[in-house]
Amino acid sequence: ETGVTQTPRHLVMGMTNKKSLKCEQHLGHNAMYWYKQSAKKPLELMFVYNFKEQTENNSVPSRFSPECPNSSHLFLHLHTLQPEDSALYLCASSQVGTSRYNEQFFGPGTRLTVL
Amino acid sequence: SQKIEQNSEALNIQEGKTATLTCNYTNYSPAYLQWYRQDPGRGPVFLLLIRENEKEKRKERLKVTFDTTLKQSLFHITASQPADSATYLCALESSNTGKLIFGQGTTLQVKP
Repeated sequence: ETGVTQTPRHLVMGMTNKKSLKCEQHLGHNAMYWYKQSAKKPLELMFVYNFKEQTENNSVPSRFSPECPNSSHLFLHLHTLQPEDSALYLCASSQVGTSRYNEQFFGPGTRLTVL
Repeated sequence: SQKIEQNSEALNIQEGKTATLTCNYTNYSPAYLQWYRQDPGRGPVFLLLIRENEKEKRKERLKVTFDTTLKQSLFHITASQPADSATYLCALESSNTGKLIFGQGTTLQVKP
């Protein structure tokens, strides 16, 4: 596999379920990101990990819990979500430090529906 | 407050014409600006980056301009094709943090 992969591609869950989204990057990058994309709204940055350390948490509710076990893998653990959390969740990676020009590579996204 | 504005209305043009998309920003002094393409249900794909000291950047049929005085970037696709139909996003670095802030995108529809 090349680039950034995400699984599952589609997820339907109830408000009481617990599920996890997975992201893997095969680009040797040192930074990974979670974004939320709702209809007609800009991409919202949720979490940033640089060198496996979380450096950003943009006031995201605690029902979203990220995990970055190594520089290639990123998870987003979900529990007791609300219907308004339904969106496309995108993972991205980039190489930071050597250049300030932060070109990001995105995965295909997970389409999440909360019933 | 900081703001990025892209035309939320879809742009419809005829095949072969030049498409021009606009990205305006306020209360930013970005070191660079990026343009991405996003197809429905897919993640954005990086297209071009232009630095603050560059007026213009080209890549094949794509051209980007960056006017830091007007706080505006224009994205041009020449000789447009139906395959160019997609949503185009501009992104700025936020406050020298390396984080990207995205506009909401403009949808381009090229008709044959």
